[in-house]
Amino acid sequence: EAGVAQSPRYKIIEKRQSVAFWCNPISGHATLYWYQQILGQGPKLLIQFQNNGVVDDSQLPKDRFSAERLKGVDSTLKIQPAKLEDSAVYLCASSLIGQSYNEQFFGPGTRLTVL
Amino acid sequence: DQQVKQNSPSLSVQEGRISILNCDYTNSMFDYFLWYKKYPAEGPTFLISISSIKDKNEDGRFTVFLNKSAKHLSLHIVPSQPGDSAVYFCAAEGIFGKGTRLHILP
Repeated sequence: EAGVAQSPRYKIIEKRQSVAFWCNPISGHATLYWYQQILGQGPKLLIQFQNNGVVDDSQLPKDRFSAERLKGVDSTLKIQPAKLEDSAVYLCASSLIGQSYNEQFFGPGTRLTVL
Repeated sequence: DQQVKQNSPSLSVQEGRISILNCDYTNSMFDYFLWYKKYPAEGPTFLISISSIKDKNEDGRFTVFLNKSAKHLSLHIVPSQPGDSAVYFCAAEGIFGKGTRLHILP
């Protein structure tokens, strides 16, 4: 079974530029998550999708971050414009359903450096 | 305010001994807790979980204990092996602790 795929693996941009990350979850997983992991911290949930609907985006900085999951499969996360403090690893995860007992399967992450 | 706390940034344990990783939480409504393990340049992988209605769950070398009155859980690894060297995260309801880096010494 293929795991969660993410691209790109690394991205370096200047502040105020835009960037987009892509995630393809495990086939059949209805729930998709985007996390931000700053160095030395645990992953912080940015947004959770159930199929193509948003379940929780309370911690997404909506003035600069946006995410979509068209057709309830793959997803993109965009930052526009980027700030220095957005430097982090962006992790995508998926689970069968979005219950608290469901283990999440994580992709390898995209390491973003904002200069 | 951190709802899931891992107060030990790192831990070193001799190979073959027991590793004990701790986690505290503040929200008594959490009903499930999960532990994840993370190697460098990889995403976290699920290790073991426990329901709030239980006080212990065991899977091979890994055991998680839950003390609801103290809002505390711990992950025990016995015996510790070199491949256990990684960062361990405690999580509940999608909220992760900061992680504990475990070093297994030869």
